[in-house]
Amino acid sequence: TQLLEQSPQFLSIQEGENLTVYCNSSSVFSSLQWYRQEPGEGPVLLVTVVTGGEVKKLKRLTFQFGDARKDSSLHITAAQPGDTGLYLCAGLINAGGTSYGKLTFGQGTILTVHP
Amino acid sequence: NAGVMQNPRHLVRRRGQEARLRCSPMKGHSHVYWYRQLPEEGLKFMVYLQKENIIDESGMPKERFSAEFPKEGPSILRIQQVVRGDSAAYFCASSPPSGRRETQYFGPGTRLLVL
Repeated sequence: TQLLEQSPQFLSIQEGENLTVYCNSSSVFSSLQWYRQEPGEGPVLLVTVVTGGEVKKLKRLTFQFGDARKDSSLHITAAQPGDTGLYLCAGLINAGGTSYGKLTFGQGTILTVHP
Repeated sequence: NAGVMQNPRHLVRRRGQEARLRCSPMKGHSHVYWYRQLPEEGLKFMVYLQKENIIDESGMPKERFSAEFPKEGPSILRIQQVVRGDSAAYFCASSPPSGRRETQYFGPGTRLLVL
């Protein structure tokens, strides 16, 4: 059972197009992170969202945390070839106790942006 | 500032041998997490350690796997009597002593191949 479902799994688009990646769960998360991973490297943290309804922007990337804190989205405007990579969402289900710090990851979305 | 460092980056072992994976957290970070990424699967939490303490090992296989984070030196993930199914990328992450535990910074990973 996958606690965090990401969609789509694969996305192939042309440079300049917009795209949205979704991360959904039936569980409530105290916070949610988005990472980007390139082949042969570790995930690089892009953003952490903690408040239901929160929206954060990072240049052409917009991250949103759902009001109920069960879902999140990543929107990229005017995608560029440099955006190509694996995008991962990860969440923290329990905010306290010994589970604090145990991230649950989605399966990832492989994005390819063609020049 | 140096990021999270892991070595070796690639490790080849024959079935039955031992694998030792090392992780040096970011400077000033006292919390270390190990994750495993199996082929075609997402990142899975293994263990969360603070200096000299294992906080949460709920994701660690019960046999052959152990982890430590001594007072001095790097964190070590040890796999005894490796089997082919242990072939995976192993990632270490760290977070600072205060603030949000889920804001974790990942190392480049160790790719373990068991022949």
